[in-house]
Amino acid sequence: GAGVSQSPRYKVTKRGQDVALRCDPISGHVSLYWYRQALGQGPEFLTYFNYEAQQDKSGLPNDRFSAERPEGSISTLTIQRTEQRDSAMYRCASSSGGAMTGELFFGEGSRLTVL
Amino acid sequence: SQQGEEDPQALSIQEGENATMNCSYKTSINNLQWYRQNSGRGLVHLILIRSNEREKHSGRLRVTLDTSKKSSSLLITASRAADTASYFCATDAGYSTLTFGKGTMLLVSP
Repeated sequence: GAGVSQSPRYKVTKRGQDVALRCDPISGHVSLYWYRQALGQGPEFLTYFNYEAQQDKSGLPNDRFSAERPEGSISTLTIQRTEQRDSAMYRCASSSGGAMTGELFFGEGSRLTVL
Repeated sequence: SQQGEEDPQALSIQEGENATMNCSYKTSINNLQWYRQNSGRGLVHLILIRSNEREKHSGRLRVTLDTSKKSSSLLITASRAADTASYFCATDAGYSTLTFGKGTMLLVSP
């Protein structure tokens, strides 16, 4: 597609449920990033992939969070046993990759609300 | 963790005035980037400045970088109401990711 697409745009779930957030990056982009953004704050890094390989997952808050990008394109961020503190905007971005981190192209985000 | 810290947190000006936002960071970097975010929507890349550059221009935007002081500034000249947004600096410290600051909220009144 023309831009980074994320789904769902809004997700309301009950505490304890699992959620899966999807990201479809710009076609041909090598690198894919997941960030989390709280209201009034900047994006906070979660994890990133080069092709299908997860290069860095140091930002994932705990083992309830996981991400995959099995074919080097679409990625899924999964949160198991959701808690109220997981409520936030989850943003995906992609880039063409390379030795230097260049421009990131962000999607509109998935807003997660855990009741 | 967030490496960049923008200053001020909020800025209110009139159309036609210039807006200056500052960013300080802690570690050495490969490059520094500025992004704009309108009303909680997706972030949009504005400009990238490499560590060996001191100043860069793009339209009404001027970015400076002082690596000795670990700081950058973003100047928007002749501001417009449409420039109302949050502005974030982001640093590439060589880990193949960007670390964002908390942002400056800019309000431009007609």
